[in-house]
Amino acid sequence: RKEVEQDPGPFNVPEGATVAFNCTYSNSASQSFFWYRQDCRKEPKLLMSVYSSGNEDGRFTAQLNRASQYISLLIRDSKLSDSATYLCAVAADYKLSFGAGTTVTVRA
Amino acid sequence: DTAVSQTPKYLVTQMGNDKSIKCEQNLGHDTMYWYKQDSKKFLKIMFSYNNKELIINETVPNRFSPKSPDKAHLNLHINSLELGDSAVYFCASSQDLALTGHFYGYTFGSGTRLTVV
Repeated sequence: RKEVEQDPGPFNVPEGATVAFNCTYSNSASQSFFWYRQDCRKEPKLLMSVYSSGNEDGRFTAQLNRASQYISLLIRDSKLSDSATYLCAVAADYKLSFGAGTTVTVRA
Repeated sequence: DTAVSQTPKYLVTQMGNDKSIKCEQNLGHDTMYWYKQDSKKFLKIMFSYNNKELIINETVPNRFSPKSPDKAHLNLHINSLELGDSAVYFCASSQDLALTGHFYGYTFGSGTRLTVV
């Protein structure tokens, strides 16, 4: 079983729509959780950390469910510029393990 | 003022050659990493160094040898390159978890796209 699994998508949504997707992780000792965004042929960039209480950053909301070992990302009012691959990342000790990414395409 | 810089950005080379990729960070971080992203876009950790000490060494062929001359630099040397080594190699750095008590995630370099022909 992979350490971190994501629905690869693609999620193809119109501008203004809400899109949400999950990521599951296998290591119950994982300590920190993140969402990264990766644009085509570029490096991953940190989108947001994910906290147990859930957290919001503008149009982005992240949730963590430790009991079920999943994290989620919700994007409200999608913009064309949100089109990217979203990578879930889970940290245990010094190591970040990444999911294979969920591709989101926002169309006009 | 680039935070994590890698060179070269692109590398095209023939099978059997030996090549190096360099990485430098100016963030004052204590830990540096090499990740490989293959054609399926899966990011997989290869190595990690903390203050010049190797702390993570995943199952990677011993043709790959990392070297950290100081905590701001982590280089990757690859011997006898094979077609399957073609990928994007990302360097990353992070602050020491033990120092801060909190892990803030990584800062990535812009990647080195290696093509073996």
